[in-house]
Amino acid sequence: EVQLVQSGAELKKPGESLRISCKASGYSFTRDWIGWVRQMPGKGLEWMGFIFPLDFDTRYNPSFQGQVTISADKSINTAYLQWSSLKASDTAMYYCARLRDGLDVWGQGTTVIVS
Amino acid sequence: DIQMTQSPSTLSASVGDRVTITCRASESISIWLAWYQQKPGRAPKLLIYKASRLESGVPSRFSGSGSGTEFTLTITSLQPDDIGTYFCQQYHNYWTFGQGTKVEIK
Repeated sequence: EVQLVQSGAELKKPGESLRISCKASGYSFTRDWIGWVRQMPGKGLEWMGFIFPLDFDTRYNPSFQGQVTISADKSINTAYLQWSSLKASDTAMYYCARLRDGLDVWGQGTTVIVS
Repeated sequence: DIQMTQSPSTLSASVGDRVTITCRASESISIWLAWYQQKPGRAPKLLIYKASRLESGVPSRFSGSGSGTEFTLTITSLQPDDIGTYFCQQYHNYWTFGQGTKVEIK
């Protein structure tokens, strides 16, 4: 079964750093783009960026460029989303998703609360 | 940036009704459009890709059409399980989501 399993909810303070993870299973991790989508409370979906784990090619939404870092570890089939200094406005649900024609497999989401 | 505009923002219909949601792109995206359903507290689920291709396992009452700048998602006979928010997404030039259409049962 193709699955993306995300790390658990986080409660952090402004200025702290954070890395959340998304572990893939059931398919060849290096052959598909995988990325991150933000959903702020009560709002819509925003793509943040995607990475191609085979060569680490990464594309960022300009709105998130410089605010977050997307990375991947091929050895453990895991993608990451990282902040160096969180703000209250980073409070949201974050989803990872596999990109094929559309985003066909989604993680369960990671809630990040910055307060 | 390609902007995606959905309408309506909220839709209330009866069980069995035919429901249509529209998504307009700010420039031509050919057929590079997907539709998603999101239920409260859950991750989105892919329904349609390449504007009209039904994702495996999705009920046949869902269909998509359109190309260029105008697209529609149709539910031929609305069911109680169809309540949720529907998003379109272009993937012609990076990725952009519409703002969502909330579907409720009347």
